[in-house]
Amino acid sequence: NAGVTQTPKFQVLKTGQSMTLQCAQDMNHNSMYWYRQDPGMGLRLIYYSASEGTTDKGEVPNGYNVSRLNKREFSLRLESAAPSQTSVYFCASAPGVIGYTFGSGTRLTVV
Amino acid sequence: GIQVEQSPPDLILQEGANSTLRCNFSDSVNNLQWFHQNPWGQLINLFYIPSGTKQNGRLSATTVATERYSLLYISSSQTTDSGVYFCAVGGAQAGTALIFGKGTTLSVSS
Repeated sequence: NAGVTQTPKFQVLKTGQSMTLQCAQDMNHNSMYWYRQDPGMGLRLIYYSASEGTTDKGEVPNGYNVSRLNKREFSLRLESAAPSQTSVYFCASAPGVIGYTFGSGTRLTVV
Repeated sequence: GIQVEQSPPDLILQEGANSTLRCNFSDSVNNLQWFHQNPWGQLINLFYIPSGTKQNGRLSATTVATERYSLLYISSSQTTDSGVYFCAVGGAQAGTALIFGKGTTLSVSS
């Protein structure tokens, strides 16, 4: 099993450009999550999807949009990238309360 | 929202030493988990421990829910224990998201 797959692994954007971070899981998990990790800040929740067809804002949703395309895929879109969005982005999925599985992360730099 | 405070922020140990990491949370929770992020960035779940005590090898965790804190004990530390340890809290229902603390960075030297 691949688990949680994130693409791309690395990306450099110019301010104002847009991009979509892709996340797919093959474990038939109901819930999926997007976090960002910045030095000294831990992981902060951007958006999550408790089940297919639902999405909710987390702690830091501004500047992002998400799409739960189907049960497997949960994408994160930056419409107009800003330097403050330079971060490492992690996608996770879980079948329920426990069993979180994280992807390997996407390192995004906005210049 | 709920606040999660971890201490100490940084910890440096010699191999073989023991350590205790603390997590305080500001409100009642039904879901508390500990994670380890290795130096390559991979995040692994260590414990699901909303209350009580659990042990897994050299690691153990205790949560006192009524006093809103949890402790992670690492005994006889090894260099492979290095990384960042996160405490995360959430609700009891499936699909509720975890809120993470800022982590404790542990460095174990040989």
